[in-house]
Amino acid sequence: TQLLEQSPQFLSIQEGENLTVYCNSSSVFSSLQWYRQEPGEGPVLLVTVVTGGEVKKLKRLTFQFGDARKDSSLHITAAQPGDTGLYLCAGAYGQNFVFGPGTRLSVLP
Amino acid sequence: GAGVSQSPSNKVTEKGKDVELRCDPISGHTALYWYRQSLGQGLEFLIYFQGNSAPDKSGLPSDRFSAERTGGSVSTLTIQRTQQEDSAVYLCASSLVSGINEKLFFGSGTQLSVL
Repeated sequence: TQLLEQSPQFLSIQEGENLTVYCNSSSVFSSLQWYRQEPGEGPVLLVTVVTGGEVKKLKRLTFQFGDARKDSSLHITAAQPGDTGLYLCAGAYGQNFVFGPGTRLSVLP
Repeated sequence: GAGVSQSPSNKVTEKGKDVELRCDPISGHTALYWYRQSLGQGLEFLIYFQGNSAPDKSGLPSDRFSAERTGGSVSTLTIQRTQQEDSAVYLCASSLVSGINEKLFFGSGTQLSVL
């Protein structure tokens, strides 16, 4: 049983389109992180959200933490081929982090 | 070193053999994590070390898996009597301390293939 669910599992879009991916749980997390992973590499941290309702922006990426701290979303505006990768959310769980299964994004030129 | 270093990058072994995977964390990082990632999947937590505290081994899938961290730095993950279902990418991460805001720095992983 996954503590964190992510949707969609796969997403293929054209360059310039907008998209949103979701991370959901029935558990409350003290913080939630988003990572991007490219083939053959380890995940790289994009953002950490801590406060319920918090919104953080990183260039064309907007991250939101749900009010109840059980879910989060990642919105990408005007996607570019360089955004292609596996997007993972991770929740702080005790002393470590649990990861969702990821959304695999392909942005076609 | 500049980042987390893992070796080997690829390991092919025969079913039943033992393997050792090595992780060199970022210097000064007190927390070290091992995760396993099966093809196209998310990360499965295996074990966590924090300073001199007893490790959290709650994610180890069987008693064939063990890990140690010597001198609070380098860590070795050992898999005994490997099985085909052990095939995966094994990722190591370190962070400065443990905590909900801590940033995990990942190595590039060891791709383990058990034939």
